[in-house]
Amino acid sequence: QVQLQESGPGLVKPSQTLSVTCSVSGVSISSGHYFWAWIRQPAGKGLEWIGRIHASGSGSPNYNPSLNSRVAISLDPSKNQFLLNLDSVTAADTAVYYCARWVPSGLIAFDIWGPGTVVTVSS
Amino acid sequence: EIVLTQSPGTLSLSPGETATLSCRASQSPDSAHLGWYQQKPGQPPRLLIAATFYRATGTPDRFIGSGSGTDFTLTITRLEPEDFAIYYCRVYSVPVTITFGQGTRLEIK
Repeated sequence: QVQLQESGPGLVKPSQTLSVTCSVSGVSISSGHYFWAWIRQPAGKGLEWIGRIHASGSGSPNYNPSLNSRVAISLDPSKNQFLLNLDSVTAADTAVYYCARWVPSGLIAFDIWGPGTVVTVSS
Repeated sequence: EIVLTQSPGTLSLSPGETATLSCRASQSPDSAHLGWYQQKPGQPPRLLIAATFYRATGTPDRFIGSGSGTDFTLTITRLEPEDFAIYYCRVYSVPVTITFGQGTRLEIK
């Protein structure tokens, strides 16, 4: 079955770049049927969509406007992974970071999620 | 961007009762773009309802999604102990934005 698994640094210093990887198994991220997305959740708070990417290359990734200037999502088809980079982090970026599959037709939903990885921004 | 407001913030009920969770949108979304998720402590969210009405695979039939316009509802009948969790509604809108409500905590009374 399809599984997603995040891996991240655990701790990032303020002003540095946060990088998290999502490894996908059970489906090729290049198949073109899905988008691949990032969502985050600060401790005890709600969910915030970060952005999504599609393998087709026909369009740019879509990002949350509140993060647009600092975020980049990319694909590594050779490893069946997708990546999140978030620049110039502050303590406000401390959160659990989830990767998820977005189904763009029919369900139109995040149907499969990774277990999440905790990233703390602190000096 | 569509803003979603969920109410109540916390709902205290007993097993066997019926829970009614509300999600109000700042603008009317396509009903195909409205979904509900359940999250338990230490776990990622799980898709319950897609396109306002349709239960995802594995969602029990006591979970009922409804609504139209700007008002959407998740009804959970015959509450089971495993239903006590946080519930989020989520909307997709164009230009592409995906937004979650702030969540409703369903707790055991």
